[in-house]
Amino acid sequence: DTAVSQTPKYLVTQMGNDKSIKCEQNLGHDTMYWYKQDSKKFLKIMFSYNNKELIINETVPNRFSPKSPDKAHLNLHINSLELGDSAVYFCASSQGATYGYTFGSGTRLTVV
Amino acid sequence: DAKTTQPPSMDCAEGRAANLPCNHSTISGNEYVYWYRQIHSQGPQYIIHGLKNNETNEMASLIITEDRKSSTLILPHATLRDTAVYYCIVRFRSNDYKLSFGAGTTVTVRA
Repeated sequence: DTAVSQTPKYLVTQMGNDKSIKCEQNLGHDTMYWYKQDSKKFLKIMFSYNNKELIINETVPNRFSPKSPDKAHLNLHINSLELGDSAVYFCASSQGATYGYTFGSGTRLTVV
Repeated sequence: DAKTTQPPSMDCAEGRAANLPCNHSTISGNEYVYWYRQIHSQGPQYIIHGLKNNETNEMASLIITEDRKSSTLILPHATLRDTAVYYCIVRFRSNDYKLSFGAGTTVTVRA
């Protein structure tokens, strides 16, 4: 069983569209994250949820809206997609802040 | 978080030990040293972490200097599958949920 699974793995869409990326973890962790890795390969945290509560919200445009329906899921909805949103988005989870993070395999988003 | 400095790249021969250095001269007493790696096209993978003492697990060993200003990740017998970007991260452990990645070290294991 995949510990942290993201869908879809690849997403190609046109500018202006709205899209969602789903993330599920079966590790029983209480904290989930979204990271963005751009073309320069830098990994930047976007959001973090602990027990469904938003605890980290980095400088991310309002077009990005995370939603955590329960502790095992953290979805990312993106409105009005722009070319600059093209990147690989990684979901991760952890048990509190103490232990290592487990990352998903990523969603490669391409906006054309 | 304390800033870390890593060499941008290094090569290693297959079967030999790979020693990856990391400087973190401004680390505070409550900050831990974490190591992750990212194999091409995959999500980052947790390797090991430590505070003061040396640590070892099935993947690697972590050696932290006595003054804690630097550390070394040791891959005892590097294989081609260990080719990846390795990240050294310093952070508080108890309530710091922001795991921040730097540029890391690109390690290439050669046959």
